[in-house]
This record gives sequence, C-alpha cells and structure tokens, in this order.
Amino acid sequence: EPEVTQTPSHQVTQMGQEVILRCVPISNHLYFYWYRQILGQKVEFLVSFYNNEISEKSEIFDDQFSVERPDGSNFTLKIRSTKLEDSAMYFCASRWREGTGELFFGEGSRLTVL
Amino acid sequence: AQRVTQPEKLLSVFKGAPVELKCNYSYSGSPELFWYVQYSRQRLQLLLRHISRESIKGFTADLNKGETSFHLKKPFAQEEDSAMYYCALIRGSQGNLIFGKGTKLSVKP
Repeated sequence: EPEVTQTPSHQVTQMGQEVILRCVPISNHLYFYWYRQILGQKVEFLVSFYNNEISEKSEIFDDQFSVERPDGSNFTLKIRSTKLEDSAMYFCASRWREGTGELFFGEGSRLTVL
Repeated sequence: AQRVTQPEKLLSVFKGAPVELKCNYSYSGSPELFWYVQYSRQRLQLLLRHISRESIKGFTADLNKGETSFHLKKPFAQEEDSAMYYCALIRGSQGNLIFGKGTKLSVKP
C-alpha cells in the first residue's frame, strides 16, 4: 500500500540554524499539507499546497517557513532560522482530490531545537 | 470560530467494557467530521468519517447537530484499541483538517 514518507525521522539543530524537512507524498496525490504537533499539544495545521502554490496557511506559518515541491515527488518544509519553540513533531500529509478525500499522513519528523 | 473539543485527555477502561470518546465541535455551516487514530509509534490514520456512516474495528460515531457532537463509541473495548484518538473537522475547500487535542485510550486486560 502506498505511503507518505518523511525524512529525517529526528533532527536536532541549534537555534538559528536552517532546517529542511522532506516528504514524499503518495504519487498520484494532488494536495499536500504540513501539520505540526508540539509535545503535549494538539496537531496544528501549518500550510496546504496545490498546483505548485500555497493554497492556505495558518498564522503559525510566518516568514520563517517556506514550502517547495522541487521535483515531481518531494515536498519540503524549510525553517530558515529555527527557534526553541519550533521544537515539535512535523507531519506531512497528502490527498488525491479535494473535498472529502482522506488525508494520508507520514510518520512525522521530530525536530529538536537546542 | 471553528473548533474541535475533546474534553478527556485520558480514558482508561478494562477489556470488554464500553468506550465513548467525546468530541464536540464549533462550526458555521455543515461540518464534515472525522476520527483519526494513532497507534503507538505509528502514523495518524483515518478511522472513520461521518459521511460514510460505517463501522470500523467495531467503532461507530454519529453526528448530532443539535448537540454539536461526534462521539466515538465501541461496545466492547479490546486491548489493541489502546491508542491516541483525534477528532477532526474539515475546513474550507482545500480540505484542511482542524484537530482536537486528542484522547489517549488505554484498555487494560
């Protein structure tokens, strides 16, 4: 069964460093998402991406964040200058069609900012 | 404001006991609601959605618009049901999910 894959599974970085989290969505999916979950808190929407552009973003997704689909398979989340409060689990998800199509999630990338 | 509330952080029951995981929502319009489950060290996965009115792994959930609730129920809990359960609703045409804080279900032998 096809799956969303994410790398790395865990990354430790120093405050102020740039981080890139990578995701490979399911191949025929058209809609892509990033969510994050700070330890002990709920899963929060960051950004959705469709047709090679951001379709919606939350207030969390400020200028420090960017997303890219550099080729036909990868979907990346970049944090330019990490802060302590960026420490969280980041989940990538994809969907093949709009509306009520199911979101398929990756296993997550744990980011620890020291 | 669109919001999903799961009032219980932890629910602990014995095997064979009934389970009800509560979910209330706030949404203007007709909501589409889901339950996602996350087993230990696994990814979030869809358990069920209200529009399909199906039963998955013995779980059911009925949308009650009057009470703005979408509680998840199972008559006889099994140990393998132990997991984190997230109630979520879809917002907007892009299908963005808004999650509740999650309830950890622990089923004891």
